[in-house]
Amino acid sequence: DAKTTQPPSMDCAEGRAANLPCNHSTISGNEYVYWYRQIHSQGPQYIIHGLKNNETNEMASLIITEDRKSSTLILPHATLRDTAVYYCIVRATAGANNLFFGTGTRLTVIP
Amino acid sequence: GAGVSQSPSNKVTEKGKDVELRCDPISGHTALYWYRQSLGQGLEFLIYFQGNSAPDKSGLPSDRFSAERTGGSVSTLTIQRTQQEDSAVYLCASSFSRDTEAFFGQGTRLTVV
Repeated sequence: DAKTTQPPSMDCAEGRAANLPCNHSTISGNEYVYWYRQIHSQGPQYIIHGLKNNETNEMASLIITEDRKSSTLILPHATLRDTAVYYCIVRATAGANNLFFGTGTRLTVIP
Repeated sequence: GAGVSQSPSNKVTEKGKDVELRCDPISGHTALYWYRQSLGQGLEFLIYFQGNSAPDKSGLPSDRFSAERTGGSVSTLTIQRTQQEDSAVYLCASSFSRDTEAFFGQGTRLTVV
């Protein structure tokens, strides 16, 4: 039973917005959705998280559907340094402590 | 330092030896996680600490793996009688509380030869 479903890979032109989708249809009502990214050979980097409302910070925006079954991470102006694997993360089970990292989306920003 | 610190950054050990991996979390963070990542794979959860206690050890792959945390701060992951399949990057993360964002260290790359 997949906790999250993400496309395995995406390309984005440099300077354009990158929209990364995620399905998390089994998320429970009080659990957050987190987004992290991992650049080759580095530890995962926190990007943003949300519960019900859309969120924005200096890195990205997070759009969460009203039914909370899916979300989209938006990088407004992708740069070459944004090339990484992006993980959409929820708790493994309701009330669980561990964050479940699926297989992520490998985003490649193209010059 | 301001971030999560892990040591050593690289460790090569002979099969059958014991190893200890250290994690210094961000000061004041009560939650601490250990994950491992094999080459080209995703992150595999190992253990979670809240303070000094480990309410969730569900990810430890065998009884050769153990972890402790002292003073609500430093954590040590110990692997006894290492096997080649233990080769991976071991990542530590900490967060202020369970529901806040977790910050990861750069990991320890363990190679068992």
